[in-house]
Amino acid sequence: DGGITQSPKYLFRKEGQNVTLSCEQNLNHDAMYWYRQDPGQGLRLIYYSQIVNDFQKGDIAEGYSVSREKKESFPLTVTSAQKNPTAFYLCASSMKEGARAGAFFGQGTRLTVV
Amino acid sequence: AQTVTQSQPEMSVQEAETVTLSCTYDTSESNYYLFWYKQPPSRQMILVIRQEAYKQQNATENRFSVNFQKAAKSFSLKISDSQLGDTAMYFCAFMIYGNQFYFGTGTSLTVIP
Repeated sequence: DGGITQSPKYLFRKEGQNVTLSCEQNLNHDAMYWYRQDPGQGLRLIYYSQIVNDFQKGDIAEGYSVSREKKESFPLTVTSAQKNPTAFYLCASSMKEGARAGAFFGQGTRLTVV
Repeated sequence: AQTVTQSQPEMSVQEAETVTLSCTYDTSESNYYLFWYKQPPSRQMILVIRQEAYKQQNATENRFSVNFQKAAKSFSLKISDSQLGDTAMYFCAFMIYGNQFYFGTGTSLTVIP
């Protein structure tokens, strides 16, 4: 079945560590997105990518980094520079030419700083 | 700047009744797409309904329908015959072609038995 897979579902990070969240899709979608979700703040865009080897910062990119070496994969690294990383992270993808279909989401990763 | 506003943080409705969730947005673009997403306690985002801005006819999907007022930049969601499984967070969103999705802050809907 086609879809988006995020892993791990739960992730714990120690202070000062970098961690990488995985996002893989087999929908042949061109565009991929990373969102952060905090209570009462909805979904805030961290980074997005429309094509391989290209990505743009979203509203809250500071302390995060991404890569898009393959169409199917869009990993997100939460660096030690992100001062408050505890949150729920959602990855999504969409067709570049068919935005009317909307974005498809993974099941999310819950990151907790310990 | 593109913004989406959901002015109702929380709502409740009796089972089998009808409820309307409000959404307004701001954009200078004329061609865009509008969406309502549902996020149940599992936190999986599910597309409920979508509307293309150039279409005047309001979209419907079974018990879900929208009231799209382009001039007023309003995009409300009506849920008829509410069911317990409709309990969730609902997010309004829009997308300009070739650009990112913009989401509102969500409305938490509780269906009361």
